[in-house]
Amino acid sequence: AIRMTQSPSSFSASTGDRVTITCRASQGISSYLAWYQQKPGKAPKLLIYAASTLQSGVPSRFSGSGSGTDFTLTISCLQSEDFATYYCQQYYSYPPYTFGQGTKLEIK
Amino acid sequence: EVQLVESGGGLVQPGGSLRLSCAASGFTFSSYSMNWVRQAPGKGLEWVSYISSSSSTIYYADSVKGRFTISRDNAKNSLYLQMNSLRAEDTAVYYCARVSGDMHYFDYWGQGTLVTVSS
Repeated sequence: AIRMTQSPSSFSASTGDRVTITCRASQGISSYLAWYQQKPGKAPKLLIYAASTLQSGVPSRFSGSGSGTDFTLTISCLQSEDFATYYCQQYYSYPPYTFGQGTKLEIK
Repeated sequence: EVQLVESGGGLVQPGGSLRLSCAASGFTFSSYSMNWVRQAPGKGLEWVSYISSSSSTIYYADSVKGRFTISRDNAKNSLYLQMNSLRAEDTAVYYCARVSGDMHYFDYWGQGTLVTVSS
């Protein structure tokens, strides 16, 4: 199974900050990577697929990049509603579909 | 509007069984593959099972293989997960999630249903 590793596991930031979350795959996955946002008590929400394609309705302050084994999710100007946990997921080789362990973004 | 609504969760004793349902609306259910994904309390997301649109292809995570059975009824726009021989480590919120067309990311998720395995 392909292992997905996110960093950091958690960190604090302030509204207006630019933040970057990293996801690394244990083997190459081309661009078959998705990013999800999850708020407490809610279902995950798709933000980005194919490593860099923004899902319809997702604000343009979110962006994704990378291919192969290294990927990033960037939020250009943090808003209060962006404080949540973020997960990456590979869909290059399945089963199993595998997720990163999550990155919890908290308010500083 | 795409909607996925899970039901059937609850408290069950170790070794017991439970059947989860996911009612789909707002899209042509029979055209999409579906998944179950779970999340243990305070933990991350774990994929559980996949079923193709026609039920011809089914996958399971190793952790549930032989104990869980995924199925669907396209006439009823419903997805199911039969869970047998439940263990404490199966305690989680279970989400159904739609696969986006030919690309296997999950574009819509239900709100989840909580399964608690405890004596």
